[in-house]
Amino acid sequence: DVKVTQSSRYLVKRTGEKVFLECVQDMDHENMFWYRQDPGLGLRLIYFSYDVKMKEKGDIPEGYSVSREKKERFSLILESASTNQTSMYLCASISFRGANTEAFFGQGTRLTVV
Amino acid sequence: DQQVKQNSPSLSVQEGRISILNCDYTNSMFDYFLWYKKYPAEGPTFLISISSIKDKNEDGRFTVFLNKSAKHLSLHIVPSQPGDSAVYFCAASALRMDSSYKLIFGSGTRLLVRP
Repeated sequence: DVKVTQSSRYLVKRTGEKVFLECVQDMDHENMFWYRQDPGLGLRLIYFSYDVKMKEKGDIPEGYSVSREKKERFSLILESASTNQTSMYLCASISFRGANTEAFFGQGTRLTVV
Repeated sequence: DQQVKQNSPSLSVQEGRISILNCDYTNSMFDYFLWYKKYPAEGPTFLISISSIKDKNEDGRFTVFLNKSAKHLSLHIVPSQPGDSAVYFCAASALRMDSSYKLIFGSGTRLLVRP
């Protein structure tokens, strides 16, 4: 029962390309997050959205933008890919409900920028 | 400024023994804490959580302890099994002024359970 789907598992792009990473959830969650995972740095928050068309910068938003036109879809955009954006990108869909908080991650997208 | 810290990048434990993974945080406004487990090439999966109004939550072999005064939480796995070998992330959430939530992760601890 897939809950969060990221469009690609592996992606190779050239420096300067515009890159779209798509994330879709089927749980009707309000909150969606984009993280990147790098060795020794854990999961760092890039952007998040708490409602359709609402977006907030995370801790490392530089070089990225996002789009949330529909509740189920949250897209991460690399405006002009650079080699330091080579990373594992993880999308999360979260419902904050106290003891019943749910947070599900997609399988991740391993992006390599050459 | 890292608000959620996991100071041990790795931990090695014998099968059958207890694994203790630690996490420290700086923001006293965090109201909910979660632990995730991650295998290579997969997304993190939820393990266990605890509300800031509690000091302990138990689920099978996994127990999370919260010490609010010390801003410290720990995950205990007992008995440890080789299948527990993974990277463990601690995460904390805080309700923001605009009523949105933010989920902050630590840097992770790689657990190796030796047979």
